[in-house]
Amino acid sequence: ELKVEQNPLFLSMQEEKNYTIYCNYSTTSDRLYWYRQDPGKSLESLFVLLSNGAVKQEGRLMASLDTKARLSTLHITAAVHDLSATYFCAVDPYYFSGGGADGLTFGKGTHLIIQP
Amino acid sequence: DAGITQSPRHKVTETGTPVTLRCHQTENHRYMYWYRQDPGHGLRLIHYSYGVKDTDKGEVSDGYSVSRSKTEDFLLTLESATSSQTSVYFCAISEGTEYSPLHFGNGTRLTVT
Repeated sequence: ELKVEQNPLFLSMQEEKNYTIYCNYSTTSDRLYWYRQDPGKSLESLFVLLSNGAVKQEGRLMASLDTKARLSTLHITAAVHDLSATYFCAVDPYYFSGGGADGLTFGKGTHLIIQP
Repeated sequence: DAGITQSPRHKVTETGTPVTLRCHQTENHRYMYWYRQDPGHGLRLIHYSYGVKDTDKGEVSDGYSVSRSKTEDFLLTLESATSSQTSVYFCAISEGTEYSPLHFGNGTRLTVT
């Protein structure tokens, strides 16, 4: 059974600070996705990471993937209040099945609050 | 937003009653999914579909059934609702390639009393 663990699950930080959210997963996969969810809203895709060493950046967010360590990170640089949200990582567990898109396995989410 | 519409957006129902949630897409994507979101659990896959009349079970399928008679519609049925099925239900769609992430609908908040 694939397990996807995020930490921390809750993070309160101040604006202008840097921090990292970690996503560990238990099976071989080189497909990892990051999503953002605002309270009461749907999930929005942030990053698609498809190979070892992949790095994607959008504004103050940067995501990376180390498939050997089965670890992805989401780094926040000089946080601003607008980045307050819950962030989910999700792993495609069926890369080697050769099948179709059988659904992603999600972590429990990191609830991020950025205070002025 | 990807063209995904979930209905209803909110529903309150009583234990033991059947409930059907609808997901409608206008993107002509092959793959559709139903997830539930609960505090402390993240999102968990209930069922998914890889084509018309082709469906399969996810991690938490007990007590749920699905149907897909048209590409654009994916129905989730709670055969006899229980309080443990109180949750927020999200539909998602995908083109089915690794480059295309899942796109989510706005969710249905279901309360079973």
